[in-house]
Amino acid sequence: AQSVTQLGSHVSVSEGALVLLRCNYSSSVPPYLFWYVQYPNQGLQLLLKYTTGATLVKGINGFEAEFKKSETSFHLTKPSAHMSDAAEYFCAVSGRDGGSQGNLIFGKGTKLSVKP
Amino acid sequence: DAGVTQSPTHLIKTRGQHVTLRCSPISGHKSVSWYQQVLGQGPQFIFQYYEKEERGRGNFPDRFSARQFPNYSSELNVNALLLGDSALYLCASSLFGWEGNQPQHFGDGTRLSIL
Repeated sequence: AQSVTQLGSHVSVSEGALVLLRCNYSSSVPPYLFWYVQYPNQGLQLLLKYTTGATLVKGINGFEAEFKKSETSFHLTKPSAHMSDAAEYFCAVSGRDGGSQGNLIFGKGTKLSVKP
Repeated sequence: DAGVTQSPTHLIKTRGQHVTLRCSPISGHKSVSWYQQVLGQGPQFIFQYYEKEERGRGNFPDRFSARQFPNYSSELNVNALLLGDSALYLCASSLFGWEGNQPQHFGDGTRLSIL
């Protein structure tokens, strides 16, 4: 069965500092990988996705993530944090085969705080 | 273009009651999925529908049911509500239902509170 682990339920950075949110997955076959962001009282917005090809994926709002098969990781980074980045971030996987296709399995989320 | 729309935005029910939540997908999207997000947790998959047929079901009791209409909108029904059903219910749409690489686009959810 697939699973997603997000290390750190809460990450705090200063404005302008590097943002690093960690995600590891467990799957017998490398899945499709996604990062979503959720602002208070809102739904989830897709930041970026990895399906195939280049392992470094660029998303919206300056975020990027790198798929590392050997480490089963898909960490999210942003070189310089902005106050508007404060939100909750979810890593998710979707299977490439069988009944796991088409539905997302989410991690528990990491709440990002940005200090002025 | 309008995104995924859900109604109502908030709902308060009491234990034992029944609730119906509604979702309209992005125009052109044929697949709708439902997720439950309990406070402090990531969303959990409940159902996926494509072309009015159930394509996937998560680990939820039979009190939860859903359907998709010819215009691709969807309803989620929950019977015999329990306190533990209090959550944000999210609807997501995608072009197709069987391709895991299709990004899912989420609505803002329905906040359900059970008293």
